[in-house]
Amino acid sequence: AQSVTQLDSHVSVSEGTPVLLRCNYSSSYSPSLFWYVQHPNKGLQLLLKYTSAATLVKGINGFEAEFKKSETSFHLTKPSAHMSDAAEYFCVVTHQGGKLIFGQGTELSVKP
Amino acid sequence: NAGVTQTPKFRVLKTGQSMTLLCAQDMNHEYMYWYRQDPGMGLRLIHYSVGEGTTAKGEVPDGYNVSRLKKQNFLLGLESAAPSQTSVYFCASSYSGTATEAFFGQGTRLTVV
Repeated sequence: AQSVTQLDSHVSVSEGTPVLLRCNYSSSYSPSLFWYVQHPNKGLQLLLKYTSAATLVKGINGFEAEFKKSETSFHLTKPSAHMSDAAEYFCVVTHQGGKLIFGQGTELSVKP
Repeated sequence: NAGVTQTPKFRVLKTGQSMTLLCAQDMNHEYMYWYRQDPGMGLRLIHYSVGEGTTAKGEVPDGYNVSRLKKQNFLLGLESAAPSQTSVYFCASSYSGTATEAFFGQGTRLTVV
């Protein structure tokens, strides 16, 4: 069965410093993986997706993620945090039957 | 270009009442999903559909029913609401369910008192 674990429930960084949000997945087949962002009281927006092409995936707003099959990881990074990055981030894995399975979420805080 | 639209956006129910949440998408997507979001638990899949006339159970289906009579609509029903169903509900749709992006509605905030 597919599952996804976000290793940190909350991450706090200072503006201008790097961001690392960690995600490990479990899948019995080659998965598709996504990162979504949710700003307060808003819906969910796609940041980036991995679908078995390049292992380093670039997304919107300067975010990127690297698919590492040997480590079953899909960590999200950004070189320099901005105040507007403060939000909740979700790692998502697809199930072979069409389900989208969400991680528990990581809340990112950005300090001035 | 509406995308995914959920109705209503807010609702307060009394315990034991019933209601239906409507999700409509205008992108001709095959897959549709209903999730609930609770603090610290991410989004949990309630039910989903892989095409018109089909439905399947997700992770937390108890207390909910769904129907997909038309491709563009996916209805979520609560037959007898309970306080444990107080949550924010999100609908989503996607073209293929695996490698394609899912699009989400803005959510429905439901409170059961």
